[in-house]
Amino acid sequence: DTEVTQTPKHLVMGMTNKKSLKCEQHMGHRAMYWYKQKAKKPPELMFVYSYEKLSINESVPSRFSPECPNSSLLNLHLHALQPEDSALYLCASSLGQPSYEQYFGPGTRLTVT
Amino acid sequence: GENVEQHPSTLSVQEGDSAVIKCTYSDSASNYFPWYKQELGKRPQLIIDIRSNVGEKKDQRIAVTLNKTAKHFSLHITETQPEDSAVYFCAATHNNDMRFGAGTRLTVKP
Repeated sequence: DTEVTQTPKHLVMGMTNKKSLKCEQHMGHRAMYWYKQKAKKPPELMFVYSYEKLSINESVPSRFSPECPNSSLLNLHLHALQPEDSALYLCASSLGQPSYEQYFGPGTRLTVT
Repeated sequence: GENVEQHPSTLSVQEGDSAVIKCTYSDSASNYFPWYKQELGKRPQLIIDIRSNVGEKKDQRIAVTLNKTAKHFSLHITETQPEDSAVYFCAATHNNDMRFGAGTRLTVKP
């Protein structure tokens, strides 16, 4: 399996909802990432897990909570989001340290109403 | 932190012409420089990359050059085709911390 998969593809949630985004890879990669991409903008790094430990947290609001249950799975728990959090959320994975190619999943299109 | 600047923001060329996109970075610790192509509604796809110990790399119609001293790197696409039309992002990476440039929208006119 040479792909990063993400579920769901689309998500609409209210500001009081709690939802989770899921990312999975079976390439043996040991680093996994969450990015946020707004329309016509580049992806912005949110979190990096390296060997299942959070190694980078780009001062993301606490309403976004990452979790890495094992080396193949990455979750992003969402709670009390704001409309400005609507975006494409991309997951990526790479072999690990040092910097290696990052492979992106197809993303989850999130709309907060 | 790392700051990546990318130019131009839009680029329109005739089919068969060459396209060049340029990026600069600020953090001398960055050591890995990938280029991604993103078509509308799709994920970013890695098209070529270069490490800091290499000055140039080529893959068929695509080449990348890196000048570490000047902290700039460039993407060169030769013999452009309509299917090359997309947004291209450069990035600079250090220890898995990857920062993207703002992107270049390339249009190849048939």
